[in-house]
Amino acid sequence: QAVVTQEPSLTVSPGGTVTLTCGSSTGAVTSGHYPYWFQLKPGQAPRTLIYDTSNKHSWTPARFSGSLLGGKAALTLSGAQPEDEAEYYCLLSYSGARSGFGGGTKLTVL
Amino acid sequence: QVQLVQSGAEVKKPGASVKVSCKASGYTFTSYDIFWVRQATGQGLEWMGWMNPNSGNTGYAQKFQGRVTMTRDTSISTAYMELSSLRSEDTAVYYCARGGSYYKYWGQGTLVTVSS
Repeated sequence: QAVVTQEPSLTVSPGGTVTLTCGSSTGAVTSGHYPYWFQLKPGQAPRTLIYDTSNKHSWTPARFSGSLLGGKAALTLSGAQPEDEAEYYCLLSYSGARSGFGGGTKLTVL
Repeated sequence: QVQLVQSGAEVKKPGASVKVSCKASGYTFTSYDIFWVRQATGQGLEWMGWMNPNSGNTGYAQKFQGRVTMTRDTSISTAYMELSSLRSEDTAVYYCARGGSYYKYWGQGTLVTVSS
């Protein structure tokens, strides 16, 4: 089974920019992996921020964007806010209708 | 409006099984897949598998193959996830989510505690 990798933790200053990445043990992440990005806060269900690499839900703040970068999926936060402090998970789809989450990135806004 | 309402918290002993339900409303139950995701205590999210409520077809993550069974009762628009041979590491919040909407709709989560 493929292993999905993320940075365990990152720190960003308020108003700053940070990029989270999501890699796959099978090779380069492509649009065919339909990358998702979820935000998870304590006591809440996961909330989808980005789907299919770069598409946003209606509630996704404009400061979040998704892309492919250097063979990985990427989530960029531009203009970090205190409320963005959370865990972020990517989800990749694989053949055989299987999917897998990365280990998550704990983002600190400090 | 679309709602997924899950069953209440469970406490199970090691070796037992647990069956979590996910009752759908606000849409045609058989039109969209149901996914199951869990977050073990202090751990990250884990994708467990999916079920097509129309056909009953399923797909499970390799980690859970042989231990998980996803079923449905279309007469009451309810999906089920049963996990057997429980161990302490299965203590987690289990979520159902609806397909076809880019994981827009989630259940509220069900805490399953495995303890002797």
